[in-house]
Amino acid sequence: GAGVSQTPSNKVTEKGKYVELRCDPISGHTALYWYRQSLGQGPEFLIYFQGTGAADDSGLPNDRFFAVRPEGSVSTLKIQRTERGDSAVYLCASSLTFQGTQYFGPGTRLTVL
Amino acid sequence: AQKVTQAQTEISVVEKEDVTLDCVYETRDTTYYLFWYKQPPSGELVFLIRRNSFDEQNEISGRYSWNFQKSTSSFNFTITASQVVDSAVYFCALSDPTGMTEKLTFGTGTRLTIIP
Repeated sequence: GAGVSQTPSNKVTEKGKYVELRCDPISGHTALYWYRQSLGQGPEFLIYFQGTGAADDSGLPNDRFFAVRPEGSVSTLKIQRTERGDSAVYLCASSLTFQGTQYFGPGTRLTVL
Repeated sequence: AQKVTQAQTEISVVEKEDVTLDCVYETRDTTYYLFWYKQPPSGELVFLIRRNSFDEQNEISGRYSWNFQKSTSSFNFTITASQVVDSAVYFCALSDPTGMTEKLTFGTGTRLTIIP
């Protein structure tokens, strides 16, 4: 079956612009996670959804970052007023249930000029 | 706070050699999960194994084996008879099953290069 998909694969934007990153989880997976991976580092947790609600957003770095999952499937990570420090690969993962194994998508590489 | 340490930043071995990747973790939880993921040059994280904190049996899957030792808080990964396709960055991760999340805490990864 299809794995986790993320679009776009690459996004280049200018400082101060708004961006949206999309994640399509594996069909039927109720849990969805966003992580951010900077160069040479391991992924860092941003936010977790169980169904439509954000059960844990403790990893979001500041209020410029926001994520939604309105129908409990596709999720969008939104970043306002982008800064150069936001440049990273944004990874999405999904799991069948809470405490299930997380399967990752290919990521979106965000570059803020 | 949870922490995962992968002290080996880069390892290079000649093809067919065995190689062990080290992982040391810190947690106050008694129940947790440990994971290994592979990140090939394409960038996608590939799940390799998940191990429950109550199960200390070693596991073997083909050329891969894992050694979990709770006494030393280690979860090491060995590749036997390495192949060029094993070249990738490998991440060890620890789950946080407290509360309503199971976010993963990752180490900084070990870049493994297999020399043909």
